[in-house]
Amino acid sequence: ILNVEQSPQSLHVQEGDSTNFTCSFPSSNFYALHWYRWETAKSPEALFVMTLNGDEKKKGRISATLNTKEGYSYLYIKGSQPEDSATYLCARTKNYGGATNKLIFGTGTLLAVQP
Amino acid sequence: EAQVTQNPRYLITVTGKKLTVTCSQNMNHEYMSWYRQDPGLGLRQIYYSMNVEVTDKGDVPEGYKVSRKEKRNFPLILESPSPNQTSLYFCASRGMGEQYFGPGTRLTVT
Repeated sequence: ILNVEQSPQSLHVQEGDSTNFTCSFPSSNFYALHWYRWETAKSPEALFVMTLNGDEKKKGRISATLNTKEGYSYLYIKGSQPEDSATYLCARTKNYGGATNKLIFGTGTLLAVQP
Repeated sequence: EAQVTQNPRYLITVTGKKLTVTCSQNMNHEYMSWYRQDPGLGLRQIYYSMNVEVTDKGDVPEGYKVSRKEKRNFPLILESPSPNQTSLYFCASRGMGEQYFGPGTRLTVT
């Protein structure tokens, strides 16, 4: 993996379904993995920042896991609601020593939840 | 209220006419960044700053300048805008954790 890749590109689910997406990234010089939720016509909103291998974070019905050795993170949404419809972005920061603020974003997974 | 503000929110300009998009944050964050978002390409970092007077290029810095004279402000300068700089621009700031994005600036260069 050379870049941050997200799959699937888009996902259509019914209200109440649980779903998950994948973010894959280069595992070398890993510093942090960020997940964002981006609703149409709004700004990206931070969900999680994860740094340690095996990290699991949860916010309401949304949770995320991190595997830095194999270079992937999963985002789970339990019992999807229409208001969960958004693009979910992940971004990786690489450890450059001092310059750890360079974020590389994936192109996102577009989630549409139908009532 | 913690926030990142950008101005203007919308701008239509002509090729070659210098413009500045302002960005300000009230969270005393050290890190600030500028991104552009284009269909199919996702968010790409233009420039970032780790502190006052410390800036560095992101992935797509060509045609842009930035300055960080004060901690709260991080303006994006287009000295001679061209149509390929038509895009949606986001400013962002971060302390030790989450990154906060501004509301975005929709720029059209004709």
